[in-house]
Amino acid sequence: DGGITQSPKYLFRKEGQNVTLSCEQNLNHDAMYWYRQDPGQGLRLIYYSQIVNDFQKGDIAEGYSVSREKKESFPLTVTSAQKNPTAFYLCASSRRDGSSYNEQFFGPGTRLTVL
Amino acid sequence: AQRVTQPEKLLSVFKGAPVELKCNYSYSGSPELFWYVQYSRQRLQLLLRHISRESIKGFTADLNKGETSFHLKKPFAQEEDSAMYYCALSEGTGNQFYFGTGTSLTVIP
Repeated sequence: DGGITQSPKYLFRKEGQNVTLSCEQNLNHDAMYWYRQDPGQGLRLIYYSQIVNDFQKGDIAEGYSVSREKKESFPLTVTSAQKNPTAFYLCASSRRDGSSYNEQFFGPGTRLTVL
Repeated sequence: AQRVTQPEKLLSVFKGAPVELKCNYSYSGSPELFWYVQYSRQRLQLLLRHISRESIKGFTADLNKGETSFHLKKPFAQEEDSAMYYCALSEGTGNQFYFGTGTSLTVIP
């Protein structure tokens, strides 16, 4: 598919360890987002960034951190402070059109399992 | 506060029957509403948005501000429509997107 990529596809982590999930896009999109997808709960926003070097907390930011040093990249770090990190993580990006943002394009996701 | 509500977690219909996936929202401003779809083993992708007022794969959705609803409809369901459907809301500035909990649609042959 290209466009927006996430790696790795599957990730295993021991309790107490931090882990970083990669998200890269070559769509020249301004905004990038991280969601967590759990069964029965839909997608919940963790963090989003509208521009390089700026990001905002979403609804469930506790235990996560992000950076946006480049337009193309928006890595997510799941820290040991996250109480229930086992989940499917989705990254998305969208283009800015005037004052609003268009549809979001999603990556394939990373499934994180904490052992 | 839950901004997007999809009351049905699971929905099954027979092939050729009409289908309606419900979505209600809570937002005081002028939101943008979307339907996203996730087919098996595929990425989440946009199905349609209310601003476009278009029909995609036979699906339509009308924004009803009075009832704060954005139900997704198709007159004749097909087997390939089986998927997970998410209703989503974007604030006026598009800063954040809020997704519903999703409805899993199964079209029975």
